Amino acid sequence: GAVVSQHPSRVICKSGTSVKIECRSLDFQATTMFWYRQFPKQSLMLMATSNEGSKATYEQGVEKDKFLINHASLTLSTLTVTSAHPEDSSFYICSARESRGLSNQPQHFGDGTRLSIL
Amino acid sequence: AQSVTQLGSHVSVSEGALVLLRCNYSSSVPPYLFWYVQYPNQGLQLLLKYTTGATLVKGINGFEAEFKKSETSFHLTKPSAHMSDAAEYFCAVTPLDNTDKLIFGTGTRLQVFP
Repeated sequence: GAVVSQHPSRVICKSGTSVKIECRSLDFQATTMFWYRQFPKQSLMLMATSNEGSKATYEQGVEKDKFLINHASLTLSTLTVTSAHPEDSSFYICSARESRGLSNQPQHFGDGTRLSIL
Repeated sequence: AQSVTQLGSHVSVSEGALVLLRCNYSSSVPPYLFWYVQYPNQGLQLLLKYTTGATLVKGINGFEAEFKKSETSFHLTKPSAHMSDAAEYFCAVTPLDNTDKLIFGTGTRLQVFP
């Protein structure tokens, strides 16, 4: 149980392109989803917290107009990297927490999306 | 601010040897504690977690961790390493005053030699 599917797994595109990444909880409902960015050989950096039916909460230093987050249902959140540039190349990982309301529920992670901007 | 320290960015052991990955947290109030494993080009998989109750927590793949409040530690151990254990391991905490967030340590890469 508690499977999170992230798609696509890899994207290679030209500079200026907008890229959408999907994060789905397959067998549970997730009121809250999280988007992380991971640089090579580094830890995960939380970018934003995505709440179903409301605006996402962005961490300090993360451009909300650059990284658009939509969480339209209890099983789907999307991250759109708008007008991507080479410096946006990174490994993006989403996670979801079950909506049972308990604060100690673990986050379940997708397999990540490797974004390469040429 | 809450922080997590993982001593040793790289740990190398022989197959069959004890695995010990260290994690210390900074908090006056014990948070919720987690260990995750990441294989190359994949997301994170939960190994185990501590919330309340028994301080020795058993997880998947033979791993366990012990919460020691006096030492503010949550070290991960496995009695006998397998080649398949080679991966990146992350310790993480959820502060009780902000249970939405998961704060990660910098990770420890485990290498297992035959």
